[in-house]
Amino acid sequence: SQQGEEDPQALSIQEGENATMNCSYKTSINNLQWYRQNSGRGLVHLILIRSNEREKHSGRLRVTLDTSKKSSSLLITASRAADTASYFCAIETSGSRLTFGEGTQLTVNP
Amino acid sequence: NAGVMQNPRHLVRRRGQEARLRCSPMKGHSHVYWYRQLPEEGLKFMVYLQKENIIDESGMPKERFSAEFPKEGPSILRIQQVVRGDSAAYFCASSPQEGRGYTFGSGTRLTVV
Repeated sequence: SQQGEEDPQALSIQEGENATMNCSYKTSINNLQWYRQNSGRGLVHLILIRSNEREKHSGRLRVTLDTSKKSSSLLITASRAADTASYFCAIETSGSRLTFGEGTQLTVNP
Repeated sequence: NAGVMQNPRHLVRRRGQEARLRCSPMKGHSHVYWYRQLPEEGLKFMVYLQKENIIDESGMPKERFSAEFPKEGPSILRIQQVVRGDSAAYFCASSPQEGRGYTFGSGTRLTVV
């Protein structure tokens, strides 16, 4: 399977702590993207990291990509209750379509 | 810029009826993708279309499902003779070209009763 696989499936932390989610995949990629989905809602694009990039930042988000290990991590620093959501990684391969993982359910407790 | 617009937001159909889901891509986007999300699961690719062309339908069930993206108007995902297992959230995304960022719509939640 080409799909990204997130780890852990579920993560529960206290407000202010950092949250780290991992994604592994099996094929060559053009880029890897992270999305957030609040319960019952659509997807919100968080960040895209290209295959020739190793690290990218956006506000409290930090994404790393290790193409040799075919893995990526998403770090959310100083988490807030509003960060509670499901987080999905998606890989884009040639041919343009995105292949999603099953997601990590993050719960940030106030 | 209104973003990707999907309608209806919620759709209830009885078994055997037809479901039509619409997606209007962002202005200037000519690439449309449909994904299905079952409860508690990730999104699964269904079909990738450009104007008047199906580029990749490898994720689409062979029967009952069809998609189009006409020269004028929204993209349509059509499910004939719906069954309970079709109940899911269907998301549409658009992009201006291959390899560029995707914008997702808010989805259509189909419930088959």
